[in-house]
Amino acid sequence: SQTIHQWPATLVQPVGSPLSLECTVEGTSNPNLYWYRQAAGRGLQLLFYSVGIGQISSEVPQNLSASRPQDRQFILSSKKLLLSDSGFYLCAWRQGRGDYGYTFGSGTRLTVV
Amino acid sequence: DQQVKQNSPSLSVQEGRISILNCDYTNSMFDYFLWYKKYPAEGPTFLISISSIKDKNEDGRFTVFLNKSAKHLSLHIVPSQPGDSAVYFCAASKGNSGSARQLTFGSGTQLTVLP
Repeated sequence: SQTIHQWPATLVQPVGSPLSLECTVEGTSNPNLYWYRQAAGRGLQLLFYSVGIGQISSEVPQNLSASRPQDRQFILSSKKLLLSDSGFYLCAWRQGRGDYGYTFGSGTRLTVV
Repeated sequence: DQQVKQNSPSLSVQEGRISILNCDYTNSMFDYFLWYKKYPAEGPTFLISISSIKDKNEDGRFTVFLNKSAKHLSLHIVPSQPGDSAVYFCAASKGNSGSARQLTFGSGTQLTVLP
């Protein structure tokens, strides 16, 4: 069966520090991968998606970047965090065809102080 | 431009009664709709979905209704249980040639089922 792992679960980082959040998927190949953010009191905002290794599409201009170095690995990064980067970050995957729903990871609560 | 809207940030319902969560969308190209349930500090989990070729889909206590002409969908939970208390997200999807099919989410509705 397919599983998705996301870590760390919580993170407190000072303003200006770098960020690296990792997401891996098991039990599938060539998944579509997504990074979402839920800011306090707001809905889920799509940040990046990837249809294959090295292929990254950005939905919103921002202080973050994403990379997909391996088929089942998706990384969210920042060189210098801002206070506004605080939020709940979710990784998700889906198969390329057929099922249109996503499976989400358990999320990372990022607090920038 | 918010293409998927959930205008009620919160809803309280008595246990055993019906919960009705509403969602409106603006993009007529959306052809697939989903509801997700989210507990605090967890990722959303899929609840139920409906294709635009249907107007109703039922799964146990959960029923989703789609009114394409009004660009409106709703989730009915009958009977409501305290364990249903969570944030419910409405999501919509449309086909994009050459790119991943994406989900556009609403802002969520916090459902509280009172015992």
